[in-house]
Amino acid sequence: EAQVTQNPRYLITVTGKKLTVTCSQNMNHEYMSWYRQDPGLGLRQIYYSMNVEVTDKGDVPEGYKVSRKEKRNFPLILESPSPNQTSLYFCASSFPTSRNTGELFFGEGSRLTVL
Amino acid sequence: AQKVTQAQTEISVVEKEDVTLDCVYETRDTTYYLFWYKQPPSGELVFLIRRNSFDEQNEISGRYSWNFQKSTSSFNFTITASQVVDSAVYFCALSEAGDDKIIFGKGTRLHILP
Repeated sequence: EAQVTQNPRYLITVTGKKLTVTCSQNMNHEYMSWYRQDPGLGLRQIYYSMNVEVTDKGDVPEGYKVSRKEKRNFPLILESPSPNQTSLYFCASSFPTSRNTGELFFGEGSRLTVL
Repeated sequence: AQKVTQAQTEISVVEKEDVTLDCVYETRDTTYYLFWYKQPPSGELVFLIRRNSFDEQNEISGRYSWNFQKSTSSFNFTITASQVVDSAVYFCALSEAGDDKIIFGKGTRLHILP
């Protein structure tokens, strides 16, 4: 089954404790992206990657890191989480919009709370 | 810079009424792509449609229709004969061909009342 898998789905942590949210897709998509969803702000792009070893900042990259060592995985790293990073995070993947439908396949979301 | 505006934060209509969700976009690119996604109360994000900038034909899919007008930079979404299952947050999104970002609007929360 084609899917994007995120883990953990729910996490409560404390300020400053490094954490990683994993994202894996099994559709051989080149494009992967992370979004955060906050009330009243919609979905905002954090980082995206067009392919292995190619990553770029989205609109709200501060406080986050990503890596793309393998095509299927795109982990989101919070080196020193702060309460303003409490949010619902979505990972997504697709073929590049110029080549295919551009449909983003989303993971189920990871709800992160930073105390 | 690209931008997507969904001016309607929240809409409530009674079941079976028609409802239109507005989406206005800004882009300097001549080639771009527009999308609509649905987020039902269960939380997942579901792709509804993609439109290329060079294809201004309106699209109809069952009770859903989309009106793309480059002259007004709008890509509006209409649900005909709404149903309770249409209750969701709907996001409009834009991607420029020269930029790999996909920018979302803030979403419109649609309540269909029985």
